[in-house]
Amino acid sequence: QSALTQPRSVSGSPGQSVTIPCTGTSNDVGAYRYVSWYQQHPGKAPKFMIYDVSERPSGVPDRFSGSKSGNTASLTISGLQAEDEADYYCCSYAGSYTLVFGGGTRLTVL
Amino acid sequence: EVQLVESGGGLVQPGGSLRLSCAASGFTFSSYWMHWVRQAPGEGLVWVSRIHSDGSSTSYADSVKGRFTVSRDNAKNTLFLQMNSLRAEDTAVYYCARERVDPTLDYWGQGTLVTVSS
Repeated sequence: QSALTQPRSVSGSPGQSVTIPCTGTSNDVGAYRYVSWYQQHPGKAPKFMIYDVSERPSGVPDRFSGSKSGNTASLTISGLQAEDEADYYCCSYAGSYTLVFGGGTRLTVL
Repeated sequence: EVQLVESGGGLVQPGGSLRLSCAASGFTFSSYWMHWVRQAPGEGLVWVSRIHSDGSSTSYADSVKGRFTVSRDNAKNTLFLQMNSLRAEDTAVYYCARERVDPTLDYWGQGTLVTVSS
């Protein structure tokens, strides 16, 4: 149950695109299409942004997209806006009814 | 409107016990798997536990296995987390969360803070 690997921080200017990678193993990210992404603003509860690798729930802007290749999933945010500044966490099903989160990435909008 | 409200957090000494509750409303609680996720101060999210919609199956992170027990009362729409033999490293905000039909947590509570300290 080792945490998935994410960069501690990423940054971008308004209007630009950023990609946050999330690296796991063949036992979690690489094994299942159950990768999800969560956004968390300071002092707030997480909000789910992407499920099943690349699906967006209703209400989430299409600027947010997800993908996966092998053991690495990615969240891309295009057309950065100030309100996108937050912490982002990936999460994967890891078998045996368990989940594993990434360590989190702080997105700074310059 | 889906609502999840945690309670029961507080200050407890190392080796002590605490029982967290999560009151659910706005959906058919008995139809959903539920989870506990924690977040130590300034740290990331860590998955803790999961329970089947009817309570028949549970799973735990290795770090809490044998010390924590998840349960639910579907008649009272409430999820529980019994925490025993608490350690300083269990200090965190504990969130309850609802699972969609796939392992995605679509609704979260606001969390309850557990502090383990002498």
